Amino acid sequence: QSALTQPASVSGSPGQSITISCIGTSSDVGGYNSVSWYQQHPGKAPKLLIHDVSNRPSGVSNRFSGSKSGNTASLTISGLQADDEADYYCNSYVTGNIYVFGTGTKVTVL
Amino acid sequence: EVQLVQSGAEVKKPGESLKISCKSSGDSFSNYWFGWVRQMPGKGLEWMGIVYAGDSTPVYSPSFQGQVTISVDKSITSAYVQWSSLKASDTAMYYCARAKHGDSWFDPWGQGTLVTVSS
Repeated sequence: QSALTQPASVSGSPGQSITISCIGTSSDVGGYNSVSWYQQHPGKAPKLLIHDVSNRPSGVSNRFSGSKSGNTASLTISGLQADDEADYYCNSYVTGNIYVFGTGTKVTVL
Repeated sequence: EVQLVQSGAEVKKPGESLKISCKSSGDSFSNYWFGWVRQMPGKGLEWMGIVYAGDSTPVYSPSFQGQVTISVDKSITSAYVQWSSLKASDTAMYYCARAKHGDSWFDPWGQGTLVTVSS
């Protein structure tokens, strides 16, 4: 299966909101409510931000929110902060315990 | 607190074999799936495959089927990925991550194991 499509980069000023899209197909993103999002700072392991499209684990800031429409999932970061500068990846269940990641998005805080 | 602790960095030559590990601490090992993720230098995350600790059944991404072997050892609550013959293109950071049976997300993640394959 092909990687989910994300924009290579998104930028915003402190305090602004940005949205990262994750485009899949009816066989992955559109077929299941099993989209998760991960944040990865340089040299660090990925960290879970959102699961099951829009659920935040305890300890994750409510500035991060997720949604889905059809074959496209989205991650919105509101009140952008310097520490939000990182790479972000979506992930979707595909079938038979197979998963696929998105291509990744580099977020820059201007 | 649940933790996944991975084995240390490896430097290998092409053609050599390798097995790296991911030690899980915390609650019931058998109730979880353990996934492996590759990140080549400067690139994104790639899903390699997953193994259910309950019955040791692995599932591979089509891109990695036949290229690696994923396994678990319940007696020492560890998951593994192994290569029988490394290639230079296997040079990457490898992460393990855990999912509860029935969940579709992975948390926590290991700290990563850097594998360098060079002649």
